[in-house]
Amino acid sequence: GENVEQHPSTLSVQEGDSAVIKCTYSDSASNYFPWYKQELGKGPQLIIDIRSNVGEKKDQRIAVTLNKTAKHFSLHITETQPEDSAVYFCALPPEGISNFGNEKLTFGTGTRLTIIP
Amino acid sequence: DGGITQSPKYLFRKEGQNVTLSCEQNLNHDAMYWYRQDPGQGLRLIYYSQIVNDFQKGDIAEGYSVSREKKESFPLTVTSAQKNPTAFYLCASKGAIITGELFFGEGSRLTVL
Repeated sequence: GENVEQHPSTLSVQEGDSAVIKCTYSDSASNYFPWYKQELGKGPQLIIDIRSNVGEKKDQRIAVTLNKTAKHFSLHITETQPEDSAVYFCALPPEGISNFGNEKLTFGTGTRLTIIP
Repeated sequence: DGGITQSPKYLFRKEGQNVTLSCEQNLNHDAMYWYRQDPGQGLRLIYYSQIVNDFQKGDIAEGYSVSREKKESFPLTVTSAQKNPTAFYLCASKGAIITGELFFGEGSRLTVL
């Protein structure tokens, strides 16, 4: 599968400050880049995704930026709140979009984000 | 409410025993997946199925088996051949669009004693 590196593995941020998590990938023609959030004891949930025809996408306090030339995409959380504490995963489908259901997402190793009140 | 149900949430088994984890979805999704989660290793794909009566091995299929006899159900059996079965197991499904959201269950934590 696609090789994806996620950094940092842990991140502590003061409430109200911003958090940034970055994923780099090695070689992919993919044009779909999702981010998932996993709260304690639950399954991951999609929070935002981006396609390669845009460089940035925002949804309220979260945003994702994509640099296909440098092969990295980042999750930005602004004005962090205690409920943002969770593990965040980036993911990448292999070798672009082929037929439905055939994309086996490769997940990053996760970032444990802790918001300090 | 539509969603994915995994059971049991916690499971303890003795070494050498096979165990079966249940995954049921009422989202009418064609594709279903099983992932294993270990600390610091993200989510690794065990098996996936795109359609009833068909499934493919993922990256770490050794020691596991699955079946897909019904669209709604995709049970995972952890066999005695799996060397390190203690882990958190996640089932997911996805609708029939090329890219789109994976919907996850709440997971099953298996501990082998």
